[in-house]
Amino acid sequence: NAGVTQTPKFQVLKTGQSMTLQCAQDMNHEYMSWYRQDPGMGLRLIHYSVGAGITDQGEVPNGYNVSRSTTEDFPLRLLSAAPSQTSVYFCATKKNRGNTEAFFGQGTRLTVV
Amino acid sequence: DQQVKQNSPSLSVQEGRISILNCDYTNSMFDYFLWYKKYPAEGPTFLISISSIKDKNEDGRFTVFLNKSAKHLSLHIVPSQPGDSAVYFCAASDHFGNEKLTFGTGTRLTIIP
Repeated sequence: NAGVTQTPKFQVLKTGQSMTLQCAQDMNHEYMSWYRQDPGMGLRLIHYSVGAGITDQGEVPNGYNVSRSTTEDFPLRLLSAAPSQTSVYFCATKKNRGNTEAFFGQGTRLTVV
Repeated sequence: DQQVKQNSPSLSVQEGRISILNCDYTNSMFDYFLWYKKYPAEGPTFLISISSIKDKNEDGRFTVFLNKSAKHLSLHIVPSQPGDSAVYFCAASDHFGNEKLTFGTGTRLTIIP
């Protein structure tokens, strides 16, 4: 039982490049979300999804796209990477919207140079 | 504007003693509070939560206290163990299950053997 799996664990991008951070879960949770963690800032919500086909913006959505075609996967796309997107990214799942316990992946450390 | 504040970046406590981690918030609409624990190179793990209709919630060695009038909550760990050494994040939402969790910046707890 893998839980929440994020790939890759580390990535270095050049400014302007695009890439997709992958998040997969095997817990059949309805709810998935993406956070970024920056020094001195705590975790901030980027995008979230309450189920397949439904996504919404969080606190810091600019520069990121998401889609949710299946229950299991919730990829985060950076269309044109900027140094300000250097951060650690976490994917999280919850069983459903009314459930408080969120399960986080191990994170993806992204550096944009 | 930091709506959830953890003013102590770090805390050291001797093994067996009580650890008290503090969190202040400014948004009076917050009505659900959570604590997460994070080890290096891992994602945050849910620890304990409390609704605004309560002033205390206990789970084993962990107790969270909420003082709504002071907009303050605290996490007590008794007795502290070496495995408790981690970064602790306080988080808040404005209604039960709302995904727009607002996180504090974290407190690094070190338990001294």
